[in-house]
Amino acid sequence: NAGVMQNPRHLVRRRGQEARLRCSPMKGHSHVYWYRQLPEEGLKFMVYLQKENIIDESGMPKERFSAEFPKEGPSILRIQQVVRGDSAAYFCASSPPPPGETQYFGPGTRLLVL
Amino acid sequence: SQKIEQNSEALNIQEGKTATLTCNYTNYSPAYLQWYRQDPGRGPVFLLLIRENEKEKRKERLKVTFDTTLKQSLFHITASQPADSATYLCAHINAGNNRKLIWGLGTSLAVNP
Repeated sequence: NAGVMQNPRHLVRRRGQEARLRCSPMKGHSHVYWYRQLPEEGLKFMVYLQKENIIDESGMPKERFSAEFPKEGPSILRIQQVVRGDSAAYFCASSPPPPGETQYFGPGTRLLVL
Repeated sequence: SQKIEQNSEALNIQEGKTATLTCNYTNYSPAYLQWYRQDPGRGPVFLLLIRENEKEKRKERLKVTFDTTLKQSLFHITASQPADSATYLCAHINAGNNRKLIWGLGTSLAVNP
């Protein structure tokens, strides 16, 4: 059973470009979480999604950031008009239904904004 | 606001000794706490979960305790090995339906051969 997959593993963007991060949850998992990790700040919750629904986006900036988890295909975290402060590691986690106590993490996408 | 704190200083110990890491929480009473391991360049890996009505939980060389009076969880690695070197993160799950994890900053452990 493949684990949580994220791609790309590394992404370099120039200021003003769009970054699109993908996450394929573990088979049978319908709950996806996105977290951001900065060196001095630790992991921070961004958004929680179920298939076709955003359940909690309280940790996601209101502007430039959006997330989706369509009926088919991976979950996408989209950052428009990236700025240097968006440089971080972005982790996706999944859990089976009902929302489990254990979340399984992907390897992360490291975004560097030049 | 809910807050989890872990020792920010790195912990260096000799191989074979027991490593003890601390997680303190304030301003709330979590139903349970989780411990994860994170290696450089990788995502967190779940290790153990302990509920508020459990005093202790074990898994192989790992042991977690939960003291609701002290508002503290301790994470122990016995007979430590260099391969145990990593950052260990404490987290609690929001008690609501969304189950988002709230994290400490982690403690870096180095086990010297």
